Amino acid sequence: DTAVSQTPKYLVTQMGNDKSIKCEQNLGHDTMYWYKQDSKKFLKIMFSYNNKELIINETVPNRFSPKSPDKAHLNLHINSLELGDSAVYFCASSQDSGEQFFGPGTRLTVL
Amino acid sequence: GEDVEQSLFLSVREGDSSVINCTYTDSSSTYLYWYKQEPGAGLQLLTYIFSNMDMKQDQRLTVLLNKKDKHLSLRIADTQTGDSAIYFCAESSSYNTDKLIFGTGTRLQVFP
Repeated sequence: DTAVSQTPKYLVTQMGNDKSIKCEQNLGHDTMYWYKQDSKKFLKIMFSYNNKELIINETVPNRFSPKSPDKAHLNLHINSLELGDSAVYFCASSQDSGEQFFGPGTRLTVL
Repeated sequence: GEDVEQSLFLSVREGDSSVINCTYTDSSSTYLYWYKQEPGAGLQLLTYIFSNMDMKQDQRLTVLLNKKDKHLSLRIADTQTGDSAIYFCAESSSYNTDKLIFGTGTRLQVFP
């Protein structure tokens, strides 16, 4: 069973479009995260949610909006996509500030 | 500020030991972590060390922490080709332990 899953695995889209990436965890964790990894492999946290409440919100453009319909899901919606949004986006989850388990990533390419 | 740095590349022969180094800036970090990322995959936690420890050993992995110099290292004994990956160190933010600040990553290449 996959612990943290993301869909889609690959996403290719045009500039200006709006897209969503979905994340689900079946570990019963209370905290979920979104990270961005750029082409140089730099990995930076974007958001975290604890029990559907936003906890961490780094300096991310407001075109990015996370949505947590329930504790097991944290989706990332991106409006007006730009070239610089091309990256691999990782979802993760943890329980009580413990180990963070990462999903397999979604490679977003904006043309 | 929070900044974690690593050397970008390391190349070792199979069977040798690998040592990956990391420097961090937040002296109040509670935990320091080592993650492994294989090609096309997410990050996998390898090991972690609590900030009041100097050393932690886990099978082929040895973590050394020098708090005075804010230096963390990961030693992999008997390195295998399957160890080829990118290794990230990370520190937990002192004001929010859920927030991990990742290093730049070290790409380890193991050759026969």
